[in-house]
Amino acid sequence: EIVMTQSPATLSVSPGERATLSCRASQSVSSNLAWYQQKPGQAPRLLIYGASTRATGIPARFSGSGSGTEFTLTISSLQSEDFAVYYCQQYNNWPPHTFGGGTKVEIK
Amino acid sequence: EVQLVESGGGLVQPGRSLRLSCAASGFTFDDYAMHWVRQAPGKGLEWVSGISWNSGSIGYADSVKGRFTISRDNAKNSLYLQMNSLRAEDTALYYCAKDMSDSASGYFDLWGRGTLVTVSS
Repeated sequence: EIVMTQSPATLSVSPGERATLSCRASQSVSSNLAWYQQKPGQAPRLLIYGASTRATGIPARFSGSGSGTEFTLTISSLQSEDFAVYYCQQYNNWPPHTFGGGTKVEIK
Repeated sequence: EVQLVESGGGLVQPGRSLRLSCAASGFTFDDYAMHWVRQAPGKGLEWVSGISWNSGSIGYADSVKGRFTISRDNAKNSLYLQMNSLRAEDTALYYCAKDMSDSASGYFDLWGRGTLVTVSS
């Protein structure tokens, strides 16, 4: 099973600042990596797939990078609606699909 | 409208069974694989099970293997999860999610709002 590790667990950022979230895979997942955003009381929403492709309707301030085992989600200028929990997921090898433990982006 | 709507959750005693359903609309259901993903209270996401478009490929998390059974009825645009021998640690919000592929090997581009399963005596 591929283990996905996200860091940090919590990220405190001021509105307008840049946020950088990390996700590491225990073995290579190529570019088969997705990012999801989850707000309180809501279902997860797809942000990024293929490590760097934004899903439909996702603002350009969200960007993804990386391949193999190291991945990054960057939010260039945090807006109030971006404070949420972010999860990475590998879909290179299944079963199982595996998610990281999540990074909570909170207001500083 | 493109949506997934889960149902069937509730309070159940340990050792009992429950069947979850997911009704899909707004897209061609039998073109896509489907999954169940759960989230225990205050915890992260855990993939539970996935099924390809024609039920030819099915997978389970080790934590539910042998107890849960995923199935689909393409004529009814519906996905199911039969959960037997339920345990307290199965308590979670269960989401239905659409795979972007037909083989269950892709990412999840549409999620339902979830149905809550509580296992307690």
